[in-house]
Amino acid sequence: DAGITQSPRHKVTETGTPVTLRCHQTENHRYMYWYRQDPGHGLRLIHYSYGVKDTDKGEVSDGYSVSRSKTEDFLLTLESATSSQTSVYFCAISGTYGRSTYEQYFGPGTRLTVT
Amino acid sequence: QKEVEQNSGPLSVPEGAIASLNCTYSDRGSQSFFWYRQYSGKSPELIMSIYSNGDKEDGRFTAQLNKASQYVSLLIRDSQPSDSATYLCAKEGGGNKLTFGTGTQLKVEL
Repeated sequence: DAGITQSPRHKVTETGTPVTLRCHQTENHRYMYWYRQDPGHGLRLIHYSYGVKDTDKGEVSDGYSVSRSKTEDFLLTLESATSSQTSVYFCAISGTYGRSTYEQYFGPGTRLTVT
Repeated sequence: QKEVEQNSGPLSVPEGAIASLNCTYSDRGSQSFFWYRQYSGKSPELIMSIYSNGDKEDGRFTAQLNKASQYVSLLIRDSQPSDSATYLCAKEGGGNKLTFGTGTQLKVEL
């Protein structure tokens, strides 16, 4: 257990509404990531962070924004949710002491449905 | 060509047999590779990391890396029904990022 929690775990929202997903970690990991997982596409990186206030885009960043104002929290925001953003969202961390910074550990996931 | 390719399966093996999962990648410069196990409805779990050519063993799991041929494989010996899951192959993609394959579903049958 890498001390990662995600909230909410499940959410149903309507098209056009803003949604924020939270990833919280307790072990001071430097790197944090947001992925979405869809059938046939696998895990795709949305955004990632390499430090407080340091973030960058992944391969599917359109329609998403992130913020990291403190080490332990990485927020993913869908500014105006669309049905194509219905997915399972995973947060991951890396940079665990004594391990390669490439080794990523995942949170439990958030299942988001946009109706 | 996808950066990381896996056969989606399902791969069915009888209990007690060796399961062989394969993954190919396109970037010859990739150095680090990972295998994740994902049970249905759960999050991916890191089970093996491999950084150099050859074999790496951990219990019933063996990861094999062949950089010249650009493939990485995972062998599971004495397969158990509890090994039934989707196995994701990933490689480092620079900037501390990973690129994942779409996964192979493994079914271990009694």
